[in-house]
Amino acid sequence: EPEVTQTPSHQVTQMGQEVILRCVPISNHLYFYWYRQILGQKVEFLVSFYNNEISEKSEIFDDQFSVERPDGSNFTLKIRSTKLEDSAMYFCASSDLRGTGKNEQFFGPGTRLTVL
Amino acid sequence: SQQGEEDPQALSIQEGENATMNCSYKTSINNLQWYRQNSGRGLVHLILIRSNEREKHSGRLRVTLDTSKKSSSLLITASRAADTASYFCATDLRTGGFKTIFGAGTRLFVKA
Repeated sequence: EPEVTQTPSHQVTQMGQEVILRCVPISNHLYFYWYRQILGQKVEFLVSFYNNEISEKSEIFDDQFSVERPDGSNFTLKIRSTKLEDSAMYFCASSDLRGTGKNEQFFGPGTRLTVL
Repeated sequence: SQQGEEDPQALSIQEGENATMNCSYKTSINNLQWYRQNSGRGLVHLILIRSNEREKHSGRLRVTLDTSKKSSSLLITASRAADTASYFCATDLRTGGFKTIFGAGTRLFVKA
């Protein structure tokens, strides 16, 4: 069964460093998402991406964040200068064409980002 | 209150009992989904109900949606210890793009 994969599973970085979190969505999906979940808290929407551009973004997704689909398979989230409060689990998700109104999102296992 | 709030925050039941979780939201939605998350793991999609549907079933899951009250419920019948997890509702908002907002979740503990 196809699945969303994410690498690395755990990233430790120093405050102020840049990190890139990588995701490989399900191959025939067209819609891509990043979410974060601070330990013990709810899943927060960061950004959605469709047709090679950002579709929606939340107030969390400020200028420190960027997303890219550098090739036909990868979808990346970059944090330019990490802060302590960026420590969280980051989930990537993808979904199929939305023409039916369905948006079942398939989630990756997550990357745990720890900022020291 | 925030979009997609669940109650109760935590629920502890005996195996075999039914578990009901509720979700309320504030803005217009395209559809509403329920996800499950085992501790420290990714989210698993359980069921999606469209804004023009009132009830949906999938195995032991039953979801209702009341758009007039902006609320949904998830019922798990004949619960099992393996159902122990956090359950989140997520609303796909009616925006120009694609935005999904998750609630705070209900932590379900099923005792064997």
